[in-house]
Amino acid sequence: DQQVKQNSPSLSVQEGRISILNCDYTNSMFDYFLWYKKYPAEGPTFLISISSIKDKNEDGRFTVFLNKSAKHLSLHIVPSQPGDSAVYFCAASGTAGGSYIPTFGRGTSLIVHP
Amino acid sequence: KAGVTQTPRYLIKTRGQQVTLSCSPISGHRSVSWYQQTPGQGLQFLFEYFSETQRNKGNFPGRFSGRQFSNSRSEMNVSTLELGDSALYLCASSPYGHEQFFGPGTRLTVL
Repeated sequence: DQQVKQNSPSLSVQEGRISILNCDYTNSMFDYFLWYKKYPAEGPTFLISISSIKDKNEDGRFTVFLNKSAKHLSLHIVPSQPGDSAVYFCAASGTAGGSYIPTFGRGTSLIVHP
Repeated sequence: KAGVTQTPRYLIKTRGQQVTLSCSPISGHRSVSWYQQTPGQGLQFLFEYFSETQRNKGNFPGRFSGRQFSNSRSEMNVSTLELGDSALYLCASSPYGHEQFFGPGTRLTVL
């Protein structure tokens, strides 16, 4: 049973427009959420995160929104650039015995067209 | 600081063989985790090592094992390889906390 779901396998956006990537989770014990970006032939790289005590975190063009009651988070990229084309993974974690092992979604492939 | 390194980057094996993958974490990082990525399945957690002890384990068969050395370097072993083991195996290290730093992965192909 998937505890972190990214229901859109792919997303296509025009350069300069907003990209919105969505993620849903089921485990109420998750209290920290992360987004990773992955280019082909490379490992995932950390992009942005948010703690459950917040509902928004912003870093440059990237903003993550968290709706705890809906168990939903989203990543907004504004404006989108062709270099943003990559697979984006949503991840969620909770403190369990001092370990913070995240559970990942299956990823959303974002294509930004020039 | 140098990033997480994994060797080898590519590997081709046949069914029934065994394989050992290696990971060197970022200096100072004591936690090392391993993940399997297959098309459409995202990143599946295999296990985590901290100070040479397996601290967490995912839902994989006993054919998958690992260890961590005193210098935090880690190895992962898969015995009796099956076709379904073909995947990208990712190693990640972490100092403490939620963020993980990933290596480039080892692409394993089982024929």
